[in-house]
Amino acid sequence: DAGVIQSPRHEVTEMGQEVTLRCKPISGHNSLFWYRQTMMRGLELLIYFNNNVPIDDSGMPEDRFSAKMPNASFSTLKIQPSEPRDSAVYFCASSPTGGFGGYTFGSGTRLTVV
Amino acid sequence: AQRVTQPEKLLSVFKGAPVELKCNYSYSGSPELFWYVQYSRQRLQLLLRHISRESIKGFTADLNKGETSFHLKKPFAQEEDSAMYYCALRGSGAGSYQLTFGKGTKLSVIP
Repeated sequence: DAGVIQSPRHEVTEMGQEVTLRCKPISGHNSLFWYRQTMMRGLELLIYFNNNVPIDDSGMPEDRFSAKMPNASFSTLKIQPSEPRDSAVYFCASSPTGGFGGYTFGSGTRLTVV
Repeated sequence: AQRVTQPEKLLSVFKGAPVELKCNYSYSGSPELFWYVQYSRQRLQLLLRHISRESIKGFTADLNKGETSFHLKKPFAQEEDSAMYYCALRGSGAGSYQLTFGKGTKLSVIP
């Protein structure tokens, strides 16, 4: 297994543009998590899916952020419109159901909004 | 509510010196504790789980429920240990899926 795969690795966009981040979890993992990492706030959980269903999106900062998981092998995190304060590294992680045993993280997407 | 505290943002030690990265937690039940490591600009990697009671890359961590701590230790630091280290907690109750992370400690091993 290639692990959790995220794309793109780097994204630079202008303020106001739509940004879509992609994640392919490990096959057989039922849980998927999106985290945001910044120097100031560390790692923050944005949203958690279990069996493709969003379970907890209380960490999504505002309506500009949305996430989907149309099937077990793909998830997207969309920011529309993007703002400079959204600049961060966004990590996707997957695990067996419920996060038991810890997560496997992707390599992250480094987003810069100028 | 569950909370993880890593009191040191930065820890510098000389090569060959012992290392202890502190982690304290707040949780009313029986938690599952983890240490993750992130080398420069790479993904977070699971280093240790308290359940496994294993030693990885010379690191060990013991869960102390009395002191609510899960400190990470290594007797002799190596230059390749320089990285960010995150302590994380997962609760044990129904619906306890979320890993709560500490803010991380940057370990710098001086040659």
